[in-house]
Amino acid sequence: AQSVTQLGSHVSVSEGALVLLRCNYSSSVPPYLFWYVQYPNQGLQLLLKYTTGATLVKGINGFEAEFKKSETSFHLTKPSAHMSDAAEYFCAVRAYNNNDMRFGAGTRLTVKP
Amino acid sequence: GAVVSQHPSRVICKSGTSVKIECRSLDFQATTMFWYRQFPKKSLMLMATSNEGSKATYEQGVEKDKFLINHASLTLSTLTVTSAHPEDSSFYICSADGTSGGPYEQYFGPGTRLTVT
Repeated sequence: AQSVTQLGSHVSVSEGALVLLRCNYSSSVPPYLFWYVQYPNQGLQLLLKYTTGATLVKGINGFEAEFKKSETSFHLTKPSAHMSDAAEYFCAVRAYNNNDMRFGAGTRLTVKP
Repeated sequence: GAVVSQHPSRVICKSGTSVKIECRSLDFQATTMFWYRQFPKKSLMLMATSNEGSKATYEQGVEKDKFLINHASLTLSTLTVTSAHPEDSSFYICSADGTSGGPYEQYFGPGTRLTVT
């Protein structure tokens, strides 16, 4: 079975500052890893995903994440936060051989002017 | 890209009535769709996995007789909340498995806000 832990339910940064949202996973088989963003009263939008290949994955809106197998981590970063980045972010994991996706508890990102 | 729609986006119903929520994959066929429930300021909880032409697989603790799922075609899955009660008020999100984005890519609908009075 797969599971995800997101460290920090709430992260606050200043506009222009580095964004770092932490995600650690547990999986008994090679995982597929995802980051989604959710704006209020909306569904989830895929930011980026890791399946195979390059461990540094670039996504939309300037976000990127690095798959570190030794640390079982998939932290999300963005060099410079923008006000529009304020939202809820979810890390998710699923096994390579099934469609069972599990979500972390989410991290609410606040961007201060 | 792959688009998933949900209808309605918001619904208010009285306690004891039933409500149907539709989830459609607009530009691709989805053999598998998923239904999630999201409580305020909480993560998504998988309720059930819906496979076209077969019975849905429910997660532990989810009442199959209360949350009826039908996946009658490759582009449509429905969730019916039967005899709704205020505690069923929640944000319901569906997703569909697609192949255009790669293996095991899930595409999410915009969600349905259910309020039971």
